[in-house]
Amino acid sequence: QVQLQESGPGLVKPSETLSLTCAVSGYSISSGFYWGWIRQPPGKGLEWIGTMYHSGSTYYNPSLKSRLIISVDTSKNHFSLKMTSVTAADTAVYYCARDSSSVHEYWGQGTLVTVSS
Amino acid sequence: DIVMTQSPATLSVSPGERATLSCRASQYISRNLAWYQQKPGQAPRLLIYDASTRATGIPARFSGSGSGTEFTLTISSLQSEDFAVYYCQQSDNWPLTFGGGTKVEIK
Repeated sequence: QVQLQESGPGLVKPSETLSLTCAVSGYSISSGFYWGWIRQPPGKGLEWIGTMYHSGSTYYNPSLKSRLIISVDTSKNHFSLKMTSVTAADTAVYYCARDSSSVHEYWGQGTLVTVSS
Repeated sequence: DIVMTQSPATLSVSPGERATLSCRASQYISRNLAWYQQKPGQAPRLLIYDASTRATGIPARFSGSGSGTEFTLTISSLQSEDFAVYYCQQSDNWPLTFGGGTKVEIK
């Protein structure tokens, strides 16, 4: 059973960098599939952030691309999201997911990140 | 970007009745369409992919149809656990995009 778990600071100051990690269990990232990030502002809908293949190739939402880095650490079986220069508009629940053919098959439980001074 | 439009925004249905949710893509996406269910405080759950294929463990009362730009999710007989928000997502092209959601509430 594939399981994903997000972790990282719940509070980030404006203009700083948001850093989250998604720990994967029940499957080895190096074996394949794509791994993605999705977010949901409070009370709103879902927004795709970006997806990476296990080998490292990445696809980013153009609206966020200049501020994003998604990376993988196969030795720890986790992947990470870094988003720079955050503002209050980046306040959201952030989900990680395992993707297959650009469909989010398995999701983490989500972690709320609030951007505030 | 492909814009996904869901209707209605809210659907009021009695338990045991059928619910029909619509999703429209702003351009042709073949059958590259997924549906998700989200309950309050929970992560979304994949219901349907490739427009009509149920994900593992999804009950048969959930069915998807459509191709091109028009898609439908049908819940044949609503159970209490089906009251939730439903999102469609196109998987045809980057960037991946979601619809705004349909809330299915108890009538």
